[in-house]
Amino acid sequence: GQSLEQPSEVTAVEGAIVQINCTYQTSGFYGLSWYQQHDGGAPTFLSYNGLDGLEETGRFSSFLSRSDSYGYLLLQELQMKDSASYFCAASSNTGKLIFGQGTTLQVKP
Amino acid sequence: DVKVTQSSRYLVKRTGEKVFLECVQDMDHENMFWYRQDPGLGLRLIYFSYDVKMKEKGDIPEGYSVSREKKERFSLILESASTNQTSMYLCASTPDSLDPYGYTFGSGTRLTVV
Repeated sequence: GQSLEQPSEVTAVEGAIVQINCTYQTSGFYGLSWYQQHDGGAPTFLSYNGLDGLEETGRFSSFLSRSDSYGYLLLQELQMKDSASYFCAASSNTGKLIFGQGTTLQVKP
Repeated sequence: DVKVTQSSRYLVKRTGEKVFLECVQDMDHENMFWYRQDPGLGLRLIYFSYDVKMKEKGDIPEGYSVSREKKERFSLILESASTNQTSMYLCASTPDSLDPYGYTFGSGTRLTVV
């Protein structure tokens, strides 16, 4: 089977750092992506890890450990506009992109 | 800008009706996908297509079918709508299913079956 697990909710204050974890079980695993979705909007691509290690894109970073089947998204200098749902998604050599159940991030003043 | 357009933003249908959800992309992408999104369950893959007239089942294909007669259009069909198919439906496309940077999603169709 294929599955991804991530926390359902995370709360943090403006300016803080938050980490959203994702563990996966995916046959033919190729890489891990992160998407952001605001209420009523389409998911938008944030970050991708095809290799182990850290990828940094501005305030957002993502990490992958293939040996642990684990990754995380790190959001720094949190802003109110970062309040959204965040999904990890595993791509596999079957051509599928499989999503986790999503983490709702609430940023408080 | 790359665009994926879903024909309806909101749709209300009756139980037993045949329902068509349309998705059109203007990027000449080979691969197109249909997901449904439900609270607490994330996005679940229903069907995908990697070429015209080609289709593959995703993780939850039961009760659905798809049609891809032209490269730019991928239709999701609910043969006989049921209340448990009330959901948000998202279409996506990408030129390469192994390229994570290429996925573009439509804005979704919120379907209510009464």
